[in-house]
Amino acid sequence: GNSVTQMEGPVTLSEEAFLTINCTYTATGYPSLFWYVQYPGEGLQLLLKATKADDKGSNKGFEATYRKETTSFHLEKGSVQVSDSAVYFCALSESGGSYIPTFGRGTSLIVHP
Amino acid sequence: GAVVSQHPSWVICKSGTSVKIECRSLDFQATTMFWYRQFPKQSLMLMATSNEGSKATYEQGVEKDKFLINHASLTLSTLTVTSAHPEDSSFYICSASDAGLVNEQFFGPGTRLTVL
Repeated sequence: GNSVTQMEGPVTLSEEAFLTINCTYTATGYPSLFWYVQYPGEGLQLLLKATKADDKGSNKGFEATYRKETTSFHLEKGSVQVSDSAVYFCALSESGGSYIPTFGRGTSLIVHP
Repeated sequence: GAVVSQHPSWVICKSGTSVKIECRSLDFQATTMFWYRQFPKQSLMLMATSNEGSKATYEQGVEKDKFLINHASLTLSTLTVTSAHPEDSSFYICSASDAGLVNEQFFGPGTRLTVL
């Protein structure tokens, strides 16, 4: 079956530090990959996505590259802000069917001023 | 585009009462809607999948008589927690997919349910 593994949190950084949140996956087919962000007390928001190998998703300074050879989709940001503090979920979704994503467990990011 | 709303955003109820949560797709027709439950500091747990006009498909371990799901139209799904108990307190999130948008779900903002 499909699965997504994320690094355990919390990740604690100072403002303007470099961020990496690791995500690896296993899938039977050729999935699309997503990063979602959940701010405190809110639902999930799609942060970025990539639908095929070597695609790079980017949004709000965050980037992730779909690496088929290493089955990874690591999230990076060059300079984090306090407002980036949230929980980040990596997810995959197979083509066809009902597009039900498989989520990782989430990684909490805490950014200090 | 692709906005999903939920109502209410939070609700407090007494044990034994029933609570209805609405999920609406505001600018697209949602052929499929999903209901998730999230416990504190944990990932989302899929409860059920519903297609418009048909019965919901529940995940293993989810009581279909307790969590009633109705997907009466292409823009509205409801989750009713019947005879709620304190252990049903949780964050409930819905999402919707549009057949025209490949491989993507759009999430509502969530509903915080507290059962006293």
